[in-house]
Amino acid sequence: ELKVEQNPLFLSMQEGKNYTIYCNYSTTSDRLYWYRQDPGKSLESLFVLLSNGAVKQEGRLMASLDTKARLSTLHITAAVHDLSATYFCAVDLNLNTDKLIFGTGTRLQVFP
Amino acid sequence: GAVVSQHPSRVICKSGTSVKIECRSLDFQATTMFWYRQFPKQSLMLMATSNEGSKATYEQGVEKDKFLINHASLTLSTLTVTSAHPEDSSFYICSAKGMTGGSGNTIYFGEGSWLTVV
Repeated sequence: ELKVEQNPLFLSMQEGKNYTIYCNYSTTSDRLYWYRQDPGKSLESLFVLLSNGAVKQEGRLMASLDTKARLSTLHITAAVHDLSATYFCAVDLNLNTDKLIFGTGTRLQVFP
Repeated sequence: GAVVSQHPSRVICKSGTSVKIECRSLDFQATTMFWYRQFPKQSLMLMATSNEGSKATYEQGVEKDKFLINHASLTLSTLTVTSAHPEDSSFYICSAKGMTGGSGNTIYFGEGSWLTVV
């Protein structure tokens, strides 16, 4: 059974600071997604990582994938309040099915 | 970009009744859609895979007779919660994979449907 774990589950950080969210998964997968969820809302797609060593950046967020270590990271640079949300990683269980197994989620709160 | 729409966004129903939630892909065809549920402050749990023109595939522990899924066309999947009970109250989200152009590798999620059973 594929398990996807995120660390930390909750993150409170000051504006301007940097931090990394980790996503570990238990079985082989070459496709990993990062999503953002605001309270009461659905998911917003942030990144799709398709291969080992993939790195993508958008604004203050940068995601990377190490398939050998079964690890993805979401790095936050110089956090701002607007980044406050819950972030989920999700692993594609099987390339032929597009079924996603979601991580536990990281609730990020950025304060002044 | 690709858009997946759900309706209704919020629904309240009485215990014992059935409620239907629709998931539409607005500008692309989706042979496969997925249904997830999310309890407050928890992660998303995959419920089933909706296959156009055939039976849905349910994840372990999900009652197929309670959560009826119909994928009658390439742009519409429906989830019907039958004989709803308060414990079925949850946020239900559908997803579909974009099949055209740059959206080919992106899985899009609907806006979600809040179900409250009273």
